[in-house]
Amino acid sequence: DAGVIQSPRHEVTEMGQEVTLRCKPISGHDYLFWYRQTMMRGLELLIYFNNNVPIDDSGMPEDRFSAKMPNASFSTLKIQPSEPRDSAVYFCASSSRTGFTDTQYFGPGTRLTVL
Amino acid sequence: EDQVTQSPEALRLQEGESSSLNCSYTVSGLRGLFWYRQDPGKGPEFLFTLYSAGEEKEKERLKATLTKKESFLHITAPKPEDSATYLCAVQARSDYKLSFGAGTTVTVRA
Repeated sequence: DAGVIQSPRHEVTEMGQEVTLRCKPISGHDYLFWYRQTMMRGLELLIYFNNNVPIDDSGMPEDRFSAKMPNASFSTLKIQPSEPRDSAVYFCASSSRTGFTDTQYFGPGTRLTVL
Repeated sequence: EDQVTQSPEALRLQEGESSSLNCSYTVSGLRGLFWYRQDPGKGPEFLFTLYSAGEEKEKERLKATLTKKESFLHITAPKPEDSATYLCAVQARSDYKLSFGAGTTVTVRA
């Protein structure tokens, strides 16, 4: 099992540029989550999908952020335009409801730096 | 709103010196309480899920326990490789998202 795959692992961009983060969940998982981690706010949920449908996007900071899941094996998180305060580590996680268990497994993260 | 508070923020231990981490929580109907370990530059790694008060789970030198208001992660005779940030999270019955605490950073010196 390859685990959750994220790309790129590091991204450095300038303010105002568009940034796209990518995630491939574990095969067979039907939930996908996007989190952001900063020193100030810790690990916070941005949005999650079930069967490719967005269920809760209340954590998305503002309209500059958007997420899509066109199929069961791929999701993107886009920031347009990016701002320095968006600098953080972005994690993707996936899970599957098997019985009562729905453990979320995290990817390695994308470290985003906006200059 | 679900709330998770972890203490202490940081813990420095000598190798072999056992200790405990605390996770206090408030949630409207607990589905599960999760413990994760996070190493620098990596994603959180799943350790345990606890579902009901009185439940305990063990893995090597780690033991997690749960009451109606808090969970403890006990580290017995820690080794330097146990150095990491330990994250606690709760999941409500009404939802599938996790609400995380700020974490406890454990450093074990040889």
